[in-house]
Amino acid sequence: DTGVSQDPRHKITKRGQNVTFRCDPISEHNRLYWYRQTLGQGPEFLTYFQNEAQLEKSRLLSDRFSAERPKGSFSTLEIQRTEQGDSAMYLCASSPDQVSLYGYTFGSGTRLTVV
Amino acid sequence: AQKITQTQPGMFVQEKEAVTLDCTYDTSDPSYGLFWYKQPSSGEMIFLIYQGSYDQQNATEGRYSLNFQKARKSANLVISASQLGDSAMYFCAMRPLSSNTGKLIFGQGTTLQVKP
Repeated sequence: DTGVSQDPRHKITKRGQNVTFRCDPISEHNRLYWYRQTLGQGPEFLTYFQNEAQLEKSRLLSDRFSAERPKGSFSTLEIQRTEQGDSAMYLCASSPDQVSLYGYTFGSGTRLTVV
Repeated sequence: AQKITQTQPGMFVQEKEAVTLDCTYDTSDPSYGLFWYKQPSSGEMIFLIYQGSYDQQNATEGRYSLNFQKARKSANLVISASQLGDSAMYFCAMRPLSSNTGKLIFGQGTTLQVKP
């Protein structure tokens, strides 16, 4: 297993366009998380899935944001009508289950720039 | 409110010396986990060490140790024998365990620079 993969690594888009990011977790992990990180700050929680069920969403996840994990494997995060304030690093992480406490495995992130 | 505070925006350390990165936390949850992550310039978050709130002993992992003082609500990371490759951003994080939340709450981070 090569760890958590995120695609693309970088995305530049014009304001108002829609973007979609993909995350492939470690195959044995049934939990998947999305975080957003702005420059100089710690990651902020957006949402998480257990298998295909989205169990928790942050207030940061406005109605322009939607996340899916249709078959309990990979996940997508879509941002509609992007705004300059959406520019950030979007990090995906996975973990085995709710009992596992020894860290979440993060991907390298997708850096979004909205111009 | 649940919060992680890292008061050192930047730290310098001489190669081969030890360094302590500070972390304090605030939670009303009786059961929680504390984590430290390293984020190099490549952007990936690398898990370093974990401490459970009911663990009796301080966690250690190679050159990393966690100085856990529950009464003071602090969970400082100690890196011994610093190496040039330790230069990175370091984040302290907490996860409440009593509720079924997947949320890791991060601090603002400390940038560590190791000098040769």
